[in-house]
Amino acid sequence: AQSVTQLGSHVSVSEGALVLLRCNYSSSVPPYLFWYVQYPNQGLQLLLKYTSAATLVKGINGFEAEFKKSETSFHLTKPSAHMSDAAEYFCAVSDTRGSYIPTFGRGTSLIVHP
Amino acid sequence: DAGVIQSPRHEVTEMGQEVTLRCKPISGHNSLFWYRQTMMRGLELLIYFNNNVPIDDSGMPEDRFSAKMPNASFSTLKIQPSEPRDSAVYFCASSNSGSFSYEQYFGPGTRLTVT
Repeated sequence: AQSVTQLGSHVSVSEGALVLLRCNYSSSVPPYLFWYVQYPNQGLQLLLKYTSAATLVKGINGFEAEFKKSETSFHLTKPSAHMSDAAEYFCAVSDTRGSYIPTFGRGTSLIVHP
Repeated sequence: DAGVIQSPRHEVTEMGQEVTLRCKPISGHNSLFWYRQTMMRGLELLIYFNNNVPIDDSGMPEDRFSAKMPNASFSTLKIQPSEPRDSAVYFCASSNSGSFSYEQYFGPGTRLTVT
């Protein structure tokens, strides 16, 4: 069984500030981990993924995430927020030894203030 | 690459009517997923196909919902009869299980409103 917990349904930052979106997972086997972004009235779009290679993963739009097995975490960061980063962000985990159907977190809405 | 295509983008219907949502996955992808997104429940997996065969439909809410995938390039999700509580955004996503990367590609969604 696998699960994902995203701490904070809303995160508010000022433009230019650090973005930190938290994701903790539970998985009985080595996981694949993903972050997706959803802009208003659009589908989810892959930001980045961890598939057991480098633990620090770089994605699109300046985002990156670090896989920390000891903390069962995969937090998403960006050094400097931009207004265009305002969106809903979803963390997901896949079971690498079973059906690989991903389990999604409830999402975190990122609000960026000018 | 046209991405995952869904139609219609918006659907407004009256309670009791039949609704059919359509999806064309990315060419070459062999897995297809139907999701429902609401404020209350978040993103819910309804059904998953692999190589056109339904593998897991445990998320289908009730018998009013049915899904088919007659070939690798087309899938439908049907609701009959529709109810106001079915109002949601329905997403189709596809992936290539053979690539072992497992990421999903989502369509733009169909916003369904049942009055």
